[in-house]
Amino acid sequence: DGGITQSPKYLFRKEGQNVTLSCEQNLNHDAMYWYRQDPGQGLRLIYYSQIVNDFQKGDIAEGYSVSREKKESFPLTVTSAQKNPTAFYLCASSWGGNIQYFGAGTRLSVL
Amino acid sequence: DQQVKQNSPSLSVQEGRISILNCDYTNSMFDYFLWYKKYPAEGPTFLISISSIKDKNEDGRFTVFLNKSAKHLSLHIVPSQPGDSAVYFCAASESQMKTSYDKVIFGPGTSLSVIP
Repeated sequence: DGGITQSPKYLFRKEGQNVTLSCEQNLNHDAMYWYRQDPGQGLRLIYYSQIVNDFQKGDIAEGYSVSREKKESFPLTVTSAQKNPTAFYLCASSWGGNIQYFGAGTRLSVL
Repeated sequence: DQQVKQNSPSLSVQEGRISILNCDYTNSMFDYFLWYKKYPAEGPTFLISISSIKDKNEDGRFTVFLNKSAKHLSLHIVPSQPGDSAVYFCAASESQMKTSYDKVIFGPGTSLSVIP
């Protein structure tokens, strides 16, 4: 059953802590993306990767980091430098065209 | 500044009637437009798209209309069903012929409720 799996579904971050959100896909897509959604706003691009071992910053990359060591995996780390991390995070993948396939999301809250 | 706008945060429609969701954009370089549908606790799923060379694209109950001169597109759902109740995101992209990645800009979404 092909798709994108994000985990965990809910995550809590303490002050000064780094947390990592997992994203795995078995669609054999080359490109993967991380978006952030805040209430009343559209999805904003954090990072994207078109190929293994390569990734580019999106519109709001500050305070976040990613890696792309395997084609199927694109984890996102929310660092302590991200001062307003509370949001809904969505991972997506595509074969390079406009149509992206999304995971179910991770809701991150600050304790 | 939002490049893709959905000015109606919510919309309620009776079952069987037409639902019309609107979207406006500001970047005249956008040439490909998409609609995504999102249920609670799930990720968005692709619904329908339209290229700027067309002014209409139809897929079953769903039709998207594009008015390039007005920088406006709309999604029509006929007839509306209770299962259509979801958040609908309008998205736009500017094709970059030299790269395989086309950046997609999403609107804030419109929450549709179809009342039985």
